[in-house]
Amino acid sequence: AQTVTQSQPEMSVQEAETVTLSCTYDTSESDYYLFWYKQPPSRQMILVIRQEAYKQQNATENRFSVNFQKAAKSFSLKISDSQLGDAAMYFCAYRPPNFGNEKLTFGTGTRLTIIP
Amino acid sequence: DTEVTQTPKHLVMGMTNKKSLKCEQHMGHRAMYWYKQKAKKPPELMFVYSYEKLSINESVPSRFSPECPNSSLLNLHLHALQPEDSALYLCASSPTLANSGANVLTFGAGSRLTVL
Repeated sequence: AQTVTQSQPEMSVQEAETVTLSCTYDTSESDYYLFWYKQPPSRQMILVIRQEAYKQQNATENRFSVNFQKAAKSFSLKISDSQLGDAAMYFCAYRPPNFGNEKLTFGTGTRLTIIP
Repeated sequence: DTEVTQTPKHLVMGMTNKKSLKCEQHMGHRAMYWYKQKAKKPPELMFVYSYEKLSINESVPSRFSPECPNSSLLNLHLHALQPEDSALYLCASSPTLANSGANVLTFGAGSRLTVL
């Protein structure tokens, strides 16, 4: 079974600064999907960004970008210009090839605090 | 409409009660999911419906009974629950179960269940 590891249970960053959340995963596949989901105190999980493993270019969504290192099986999330609304639990997730979301594996999460 | 709506937001029930959680989406999604999330943990998959048919049951106890009356609605019937079943129950939907980068989960805000 695939495992997804988030080694930072908690992180904090000053407002307007940049923070990087780490994620590593274990797989023997070559084509798969990786996701970052955000869960603010409102509880709703929201998709932040996705990466397809066959694409070498790192995904970017506004202030959110990833550093995808396929050989190292690393998928970190960089948040630039941190805002108070970024405070949330962040979950990294892996989805294997040939399956849909029923095979999505989540990491244990990183709680991000934004310091005003 | 890009939302998944869950009701009720909070539910307190005794171990002998029968209650139901409701989930609704009008995005035309044909896959719907129930997740259970304990505090500070990632969501755990319980059930998956695809085209209104139960596709996956992750060995969930029979005191949880899912139902998909139509393509927009998903219910979770609760009976004879235990205190350890207290958790956040998240509903999600996706276009299908296909392996596609566009096939991502849209979550509801969850129903917080407390079993006394």
